[in-house]
Amino acid sequence: SAVISQKPSRDICQRGTSLTIQCQVDSQVTMMFWYRQQPGQSLTLIATANQGSEATYESGFVIDKFPISRPNLTFSTLTVSNMSPEDSSIYLCSVGQGPSSGANVLTFGAGSRLTVL
Amino acid sequence: AQSVTQPDIHITVSEGASLELRCNYSYGATPYLFWYVQSPGQGLQLLLKYFSGDTLVQGIKGFEAEFKRSQSSFNLRKPSVHWSDAAEYFCAVGSNQAGTALIFGKGTTLSVSS
Repeated sequence: SAVISQKPSRDICQRGTSLTIQCQVDSQVTMMFWYRQQPGQSLTLIATANQGSEATYESGFVIDKFPISRPNLTFSTLTVSNMSPEDSSIYLCSVGQGPSSGANVLTFGAGSRLTVL
Repeated sequence: AQSVTQPDIHITVSEGASLELRCNYSYGATPYLFWYVQSPGQGLQLLLKYFSGDTLVQGIKGFEAEFKRSQSSFNLRKPSVHWSDAAEYFCAVGSNQAGTALIFGKGTTLSVSS
């Protein structure tokens, strides 16, 4: 399965600032997913990022708050804009194995733990 | 609505004892089911998955899960728990279409006592 590197692994940010999280995959993948895991909560899908097209956002998430870039088949970034303490979460990048595996199995990066003060 | 329910927020098991973590799902199409484990400070690791066929699936680290369509369940089991199994466990459901994301349950925290 793919190996995913995320950075930063953790950061402490000030209210009102923005932070960009990078996700690098060791193989070319069509789709990448960004999830958020709030403290003590499950994973919530933020958006799906396809190379060469606009990301598709889930209900409750908007592009102005979470802009995503997908410049090529191995890289994506997620920016958390104008942060507030409610944005304190772990943000995870994931990729799916393609149809050759028979179903969409997700592999995850180690996550980026953001704390907003 | 599509959802995954993990009824137990926190479970404590003695080392060497058996373990069962519950998972119930609601999904409109044929469900593809997964169990992931998240150790402190780590990303999610796939333990096992069910697509079709034998309803009892084997995974890594000695885990197994049984799919019961009539009960909409996919419970995770291990006959003898090790201290290193202490972690957060997530059940997830998805489809067989490439490019579709998974829906996760809220997770169950497993503590192992000596």
